[in-house]
Amino acid sequence: QKEVEQNSGPLSVPEGAIASLNCTYSDRGSQSFFWYRQYSGKSPELIMFIYSNGDKEDGRFTAQLNKASQYVSLLIRDSQPSDSATYLCAVNSLKEARGSNYKLTFGKGTLLTVNP
Amino acid sequence: DAGVIQSPRHEVTEMGQEVTLRCKPISGHDYLFWYRQTMMRGLELLIYFNNNVPIDDSGMPEDRFSAKMPNASFSTLKIQPSEPRDSAVYFCASSSRGGVTETQYFGPGTRLLVL
Repeated sequence: QKEVEQNSGPLSVPEGAIASLNCTYSDRGSQSFFWYRQYSGKSPELIMFIYSNGDKEDGRFTAQLNKASQYVSLLIRDSQPSDSATYLCAVNSLKEARGSNYKLTFGKGTLLTVNP
Repeated sequence: DAGVIQSPRHEVTEMGQEVTLRCKPISGHDYLFWYRQTMMRGLELLIYFNNNVPIDDSGMPEDRFSAKMPNASFSTLKIQPSEPRDSAVYFCASSSRGGVTETQYFGPGTRLLVL
């Protein structure tokens, strides 16, 4: 079973729409969850993280966490062409941490395309 | 402030050659991470250091890979001998301290092609 799973996409949405990106994880002991954005040929950059059940909003971005369902999502409101990128979900997985709690496991990412 | 610096940005080498990738973390950051990204496997953690000490190297694929951090401002990832399957983008990242919500800052990556 894969540790962190994401739909590879591509997910295509029109400009101004809401883009919904989903991620599931296998380790129930995971404590925190991160969304990174990666433009083609560039390095990942953090968008936001969440560690409590519920919603967390930051500008046009909302992260949603449901630990019971082992599910985390990222909503992008009013999508812009500049949001076109690969979105990586990362999980802090205690099971893999060898005594520390700092190892991130990444999903393979979802490619988002926002059409003008 | 300068971000994470990696060199070289691109490397093309032949199978069997030694490859050395370099990383300078953000000043003051105590944690340094080496990742590898491929289409097939995604972004994988190879090894990470805390205060120059290797903490977890379980992601290092085999003995051909080695990493060092001789001081707080420099780390190397060495592949000897290199093989075509090592072709990937190698990222270095750093963070200021441990903790479940700590942000990792990624360098621009080194694109390695082994022929």
